[in-house]
Amino acid sequence: EVQLVESGGGLVQPGRSLRLSCTASGFTFGDYAMSWFRQAPGKGLEWVGFIRSKAYGGTTEYAASVKGRFTISRDDSKSIAYLQMNSLKTEDTAVYYCSKVVAATSGIFDYWGQGTLVTVSS
Amino acid sequence: DIQMTQSPSSLSASVGDRVTITCQASQDISNYLNWYQQKPGKAPKLLIYDASNLETGVPSRFSGSGSGTDFTFTISSLQPEDIATYYCQQYDNLPLSFGQGTRLEIK
Repeated sequence: EVQLVESGGGLVQPGRSLRLSCTASGFTFGDYAMSWFRQAPGKGLEWVGFIRSKAYGGTTEYAASVKGRFTISRDDSKSIAYLQMNSLKTEDTAVYYCSKVVAATSGIFDYWGQGTLVTVSS
Repeated sequence: DIQMTQSPSSLSASVGDRVTITCQASQDISNYLNWYQQKPGKAPKLLIYDASNLETGVPSRFSGSGSGTDFTFTISSLQPEDIATYYCQQYDNLPLSFGQGTRLEIK
């Protein structure tokens, strides 16, 4: 059974950093791109970024709202994807979800974690 | 960037009703369009991919159609467990983008 479990959320002050983890099981993690999404309280879904599998270079793409502040990485030996968030702003407050793609290079997301809440506030 | 416009933003219907949600892309996205269901406090769930393909395990009362810029999501006979917010999502171009969501309520 595929499972994705996010962790690392919490309360953080503006300007500080936080690292989220997405621990995967039930599939060959290294074969799939992994993506991060977020949802501000009472708002819709927003794509944050993704990391391709090593077979496709392991490269990353980001939304403009987080580019230069957030970094996605992966450790295929541990089946974990990370979201390093620096220079956090109050508008980054959201539930953050990780998700896997259906196929190696698709934009279809078939499994999602339960989400982890990040609150940026002084 | 591709803008996705969903309508209506909210909808109230009775059990057994046919429900339709539309999603319009700001440019041609072929069939690179997915539909997700999100229940309160839960993660999104993939229902339809590539505009019209039903995800494995999803009830057949859910369907999707369309291509290019105009897409439709339909629930043929609304069930109480379908109460949720529904989102369309395009993956033709980066950045990936979602519609603003349609909140579905039981009348």
